[in-house]
Amino acid sequence: KNEVEQSPQNLTAQEGEFITINCSYSVGISALHWLQQHPGGGIVSLFMLSSGKKKHGRLIATINIQEKHSSLHITASHPRDSAVYICAVFSNTGNQFYFGTGTSLTVIP
Amino acid sequence: NAGVMQNPRHLVRRRGQEARLRCSPMKGHSHVYWYRQLPEEGLKFMVYLQKENIIDESGMPKERFSAEFPKEGPSILRIQQVVRGDSAAYFCASSRGGNEKLFFGSGTQLSVL
Repeated sequence: KNEVEQSPQNLTAQEGEFITINCSYSVGISALHWLQQHPGGGIVSLFMLSSGKKKHGRLIATINIQEKHSSLHITASHPRDSAVYICAVFSNTGNQFYFGTGTSLTVIP
Repeated sequence: NAGVMQNPRHLVRRRGQEARLRCSPMKGHSHVYWYRQLPEEGLKFMVYLQKENIIDESGMPKERFSAEFPKEGPSILRIQQVVRGDSAAYFCASSRGGNEKLFFGSGTQLSVL
């Protein structure tokens, strides 16, 4: 069993739809990161969370520490949001990262 | 203000050769992380370094792989006697502190013939 599980694995949405990607983890964490990997391979950090909620433009990330669960929401999705979204946690019992396998999002115009 | 610089962008090696991958963190960042992404797989943590120290190398194979982050110069990931299974994209990320936002390099694509 992976330490970090993401769902769904693949997601196709119409432009304008509200999108939710979920992440559950089984280890104790210092922080949770949401990353975006574009088709060309480049990786960008979207959010780093240790509690609560963060918002940046059309992106919202939430975390529930008790339930060991985080969600990434995209409002008014756009084709340029098409990418792989990866959840990663930084363990508080070691000094390493665990990664989800990613959610491949395709937004159709 | 340059971001995280990785070079080379592409590296081709024959089986048995050595591969040296370099990562220059962002200015002011003293924490470096190396990750590997095998074809059709997700990212896997390899090693976490601070200047002159290895903090955690639990994700790194015990043999043939080593990493360093000297006081001066870039961090180096070194793979000795490469095999075909080492073919992957190797990403480096840096942060200002141990639990802060990550900034990623563009990766080095290693191909072993």
